[in-house]
Amino acid sequence: GQQLNQSPQSMFIQEGEDVSMNCTSSSIFNTWLWYKQEPGEGPVLLIALYKAGELTSNGRLTAQFGITRKDSFLNISASIPSDVGIYFCAGEIIQGAQKLVFGQGTRLTINP
Amino acid sequence: DGGITQSPKYLFRKEGQNVTLSCEQNLNHDAMYWYRQDPGQGLRLIYYSQIVNDFQKGDIAEGYSVSREKKESFPLTVTSAQKNPTAFYLCASSIDRGSLSEAFFGQGTRLTVV
Repeated sequence: GQQLNQSPQSMFIQEGEDVSMNCTSSSIFNTWLWYKQEPGEGPVLLIALYKAGELTSNGRLTAQFGITRKDSFLNISASIPSDVGIYFCAGEIIQGAQKLVFGQGTRLTINP
Repeated sequence: DGGITQSPKYLFRKEGQNVTLSCEQNLNHDAMYWYRQDPGQGLRLIYYSQIVNDFQKGDIAEGYSVSREKKESFPLTVTSAQKNPTAFYLCASSIDRGSLSEAFFGQGTRLTVV
C-alpha cells in the first residue's frame, strides 16, 4: 500500500526548544493531517491542510502542505511538558475510494 | 455531545475465540475506519467504509471482518484466524465530502489474547 515516511522516529529535547518533524511520500495526497496521541488514547487532530503550499498555525504549532503535494512538516515552537506524546502525519489519498494513510509517528520526549 | 465511542476499553480473549469490538459515532459521518496499532508503530488500516452497507479491505484485513448495517455503527470482529491479535485497535470516522475528510478517533480498545 501507499507509505508515508515520517522522521525523526523520536526526539529528546529540552523544554523551551523548537521541534520540527516531517513526512514524505512518493504519492500525491489531497489532504495532510497532523495528529497527537497520548498513551492509551486515540489520536487527536491538531492541524488539517487542504491546499498545496498552505501554511497553517494552531497556537505554537505550524504545519505546511508541501508544494509538490508529497510532503508536509509540523513545527512546535517553545516546547512545554504537555507537548510530550506521539505525533502522526496522515495523508488522504483517492484511489477508487478515499482513505487515510498514516506515518509511523514521531515520539517526542521533553526534559524539563 | 457528538463523538465517536469505542467499547470496551480493555478486552481479554482466549486463543481460538472470536471477539467483536464496538464503534459508534453520532457525528453523522459517512466514512468509518478501523486501524491497528502495535507498540512503537504507526497505524495500519484494517477495513474502511465510505457508506452504509459497503466496506473495503485495508492493508491488513486478513483475520478480521466488519459490517456497516447502520451509518452510526462499524463493529470489527477479530476472528480466530488472526494470528497475532494482541494490539491497540482504533476506530475513526470522517465527513468524507470531497477532500474534507478530517478523521476523528475513538479512545481505542486494547485487546489482549491470553
